[in-house]
Amino acid sequence: AQSVAQPEDQVNVAEGNPLTVKCTYSVSGNPYLFWYVQYPNRGLQFLLKYITGDNLVKGSYGFEAEFNKSQTSFHLKKPSALVSDSALYFCAVRVTGTYKYIFGTGTRLKVLA
Amino acid sequence: DADVTQTPRNRITKTGKRIMLECSQTKGHDRMYWYRQDPGLGLRLIYYSFDVKDINKGEISDGYSVSRQAQAKFSLSLESAIPNQTALYFCATSDSTGGQPQHFGDGTRLSIL
Repeated sequence: AQSVAQPEDQVNVAEGNPLTVKCTYSVSGNPYLFWYVQYPNRGLQFLLKYITGDNLVKGSYGFEAEFNKSQTSFHLKKPSALVSDSALYFCAVRVTGTYKYIFGTGTRLKVLA
Repeated sequence: DADVTQTPRNRITKTGKRIMLECSQTKGHDRMYWYRQDPGLGLRLIYYSFDVKDINKGEISDGYSVSRQAQAKFSLSLESAIPNQTALYFCATSDSTGGQPQHFGDGTRLSIL
């Protein structure tokens, strides 16, 4: 079965430090991978996606994600965290051959001032 | 004005009642989706529609129905609500080129007593 996993329920990082939010996936064929962010009382906002090409994908708000095929991972990163980055982050994968998207359970990022 | 508007934002109702959640969008997107979000489970797809005449079941469609009244409107109904349908519901849209859900409403928090 195709799936996506976010192994950490919460990640804490100090402001100004680099942050990483982890995501691993299991799909047949080439993966289409996505990251979204959700702020309190709001819907999800699309951050970035990997379809093909360069393994390092740049997205909105200074975020980037690194695709690693051998480790089946797509970790979200940012070189210097801001308090305003505190939110819930979701990784998602497209089910091969369909238009269905499987979302992870979410990781709450808390950036401490 | 928001690109994707959901009404109501909050609703409390009783078991057995019929409920309709409405979604309208100003993005001009063909594709619309309904998801539910439960703590620890991420987002799960209920129904999706690629145009007015196209309706497809998602992974958890039992107990739900939808209507695509126009390109801009996609409503979700619970014919006879039950307590385990208590959740946060999101409508989303995407264009036919982007693929992934791109724009989400701010959600409807539904409580069934």
